[in-house]
Amino acid sequence: IAGITQAPTSQILAAGRRMTLRCTQDMRHNAMYWYRQDLGLGLRLIHYSNTAGTTGKGEVPDGYSVSRANTDDFPLTLASAVPSQTSVYFCASSDGELGTQYFGPGTRLTVL
Amino acid sequence: GQNIDQPTEMTATEGAIVQINCTYQTSGFNGLFWYQQHAGEAPTFLSYNVLDGLEEKGRFSSFLSRSKGYSYLLLKELQMKDSASYLCAVFENDYKLSFGAGTTVTVRA
Repeated sequence: IAGITQAPTSQILAAGRRMTLRCTQDMRHNAMYWYRQDLGLGLRLIHYSNTAGTTGKGEVPDGYSVSRANTDDFPLTLASAVPSQTSVYFCASSDGELGTQYFGPGTRLTVL
Repeated sequence: GQNIDQPTEMTATEGAIVQINCTYQTSGFNGLFWYQQHAGEAPTFLSYNVLDGLEEKGRFSSFLSRSKGYSYLLLKELQMKDSASYLCAVFENDYKLSFGAGTTVTVRA
C-alpha cells in the first residue's frame, strides 16, 4: 500500500441498505477526513478524526457514522442509505490537523 | 460559516496563461490551498499560502491577499494536461478545510 486506498471503487446500493466505505493510509498520519463531492457544490466534510480514538462531525454528518480504532483505518458507515447520499466519497489524511491533506482515489456510490 | 467563490469555467489556448480567482469570507483564516482535480480522479495538492504575496512553483503560482480575502492561481505555458478542475480551499478557525465549488479549465490546441 502506498498513500491512501479506498474500497470499493464504486457501488450501487438499494435504499435502506447498510454500507461501509473503507479507507486505509500507510503514511502514519494522525488526522483523517471523509468528504463527499457533488456537482456544483464542491467537497463537503462529513466527519473527521484528529487522532486514533477520536472523531468529530463536519458540515454534513447526518446519516453517516465513523470510527477510528487505529491510526491507519477510518471507515465510513451509512446505516440506512437514501438516494440523496448518491455521491463521490473521498477520504483524506494529513500529518496533524494543520498539515496538507492528501486524498484517496474516491468511491462512487449510487443509492437507488 | 463560509463563502468561497471562484468562476465555474475557463477556457484558454495551449501555451497561454490563465488566472483563476478565488474570493472568500470565512470564519477565521489559517491559510489557503489550491488543489488540482482531473476528471474522475482525486484532488492533488498544488499550493499553500498563509502569508500575503506570491508563491511560485514552476509553471504554477499562487497569490494571497488576506486583507482583501482574495487569492489567485496562475497557470503559465498551458499544456493540454492542465485541463482539470482547480479547487480553492480555506483553513478556517477550527482548522477544517472549506472548499469552493471548483473552476473547470479547458485547454484548447
